[in-house]
Amino acid sequence: AQSVAQPEDQVNVAEGNPLTVKCTYSVSGNPYLFWYVQYPNRGLQFLLKYITGDNLVKGSYGFEAEFNKSQTSFHLKKPSALVSDSALYFCAVRDWEDNYGQNFVFGPGTRLSVLP
Amino acid sequence: GAVVSQHPSWVICKSGTSVKIECRSLDFQATTMFWYRQFPKQSLMLMATSNEGSKATYEQGVEKDKFLINHASLTLSTLTVTSAHPEDSSFYICSARSGDSSYEQYFGPGTRLTVT
Repeated sequence: AQSVAQPEDQVNVAEGNPLTVKCTYSVSGNPYLFWYVQYPNRGLQFLLKYITGDNLVKGSYGFEAEFNKSQTSFHLKKPSALVSDSALYFCAVRDWEDNYGQNFVFGPGTRLSVLP
Repeated sequence: GAVVSQHPSWVICKSGTSVKIECRSLDFQATTMFWYRQFPKQSLMLMATSNEGSKATYEQGVEKDKFLINHASLTLSTLTVTSAHPEDSSFYICSARSGDSSYEQYFGPGTRLTVT
């Protein structure tokens, strides 16, 4: 069965500093990995995904994530945080060999606060 | 492209009444739609998966007679909360997957339901 862990409930970072939001996963096969952001009372907005290929994935709004198979991690990063990046971030995984399990498994979410 | 809408964005209803939430794929045909529920400060929990023209598959612990799901066309799925109670108050999010994409889901903006 798939699972996702986001070990930090809350991440605080000063504006202009680099940020990292951590995600580790567990799947029986190879993973599809995703990051989504959610603003208050809004649905999920897609940031980026890893399907195959280059381990470093670049996404929307200057975010990027690195797939590390040996550490089963997919940490979200941004070189310089903005106050407007403050939101709830979800990591999600799907096992690409699981043809019958069509849904994602979401992590518990990490709240990012960027301080001015 | 790949836009999913939900209607209404928020609704308040009295205990004992029923509420219908619509999920539409605006620019693609959604062979599969998913309904999630999100409690405050928590992650998304999958409620059910619906395929066009067939009965929905509910996750364990989700009452199918209470949460009626209909996926009558390739662009519309509805979730009806029957005989709503205050504990049904939550944020409901749908997502849709097209037949062309085996791994990606597109999320709606969510519907905030408050039962008084």
